Amino acid sequence: GNSVTQMEGPVTLSEEAFLTINCTYTATGYPSLFWYVQYPGEGLQLLLKATKADDKGSNKGFEATYRKETTSFHLEKGSVQVSDSAVYFCALNSGGSNYKLTFGKGTLLTVNP
Amino acid sequence: NAGVTQTPKFRVLKTGQSMTLLCAQDMNHEYMYWYRQDPGMGLRLIHYSVGEGTTAKGEVPDGYNVSRLKKQNFLLGLESAAPSQTSVYFCASSYRVGGNQPQHFGDGTRLSIL
Repeated sequence: GNSVTQMEGPVTLSEEAFLTINCTYTATGYPSLFWYVQYPGEGLQLLLKATKADDKGSNKGFEATYRKETTSFHLEKGSVQVSDSAVYFCALNSGGSNYKLTFGKGTLLTVNP
Repeated sequence: NAGVTQTPKFRVLKTGQSMTLLCAQDMNHEYMYWYRQDPGMGLRLIHYSVGEGTTAKGEVPDGYNVSRLKKQNFLLGLESAAPSQTSVYFCASSYRVGGNQPQHFGDGTRLSIL
């Protein structure tokens, strides 16, 4: 079956540091890949997505590239801010007729001033 | 700009009580989903619906029932609540067309079973 593995958290960084959150996946076919962000007390929001190999998703300074050869979709940001503190979820959509998402367990990021 | 709205936002139940969580979306989405979020477990799919009048089981359906009588609403029921169902419940919705359609989430319902 499909699965998503994210790096264990929590991750604590200082403001303006470089961020990488690793995500690898197992899936049949050609899934679409997503990063969602959850701010404290809120639901999940789509951060970025990529739908085919070598696509790069980007939003709010975050980037992730769909690497089929390494089955990875690592999230990066060059300079984090305190407001980026949140839980980040990597997810894949296996397609088919019901489009269920498979989530990783989430990575808590805390950015200190 | 409501998007996905969940009610209630918080609830405390006693073991054995029943309740229904309501999810409403105003985006005309065909697909709707119920997830539970537990520490260290990520999100797990409980049930989902691909259209009005249809429902299907997800990963962890036991102890829950759902109904989709109207396209915009998706109800999650607990017939006899158990402490193991203490969790944060999220509803989501998406368009049907295309496997790359993102899901839109509500703000969650925090449910405690004593």
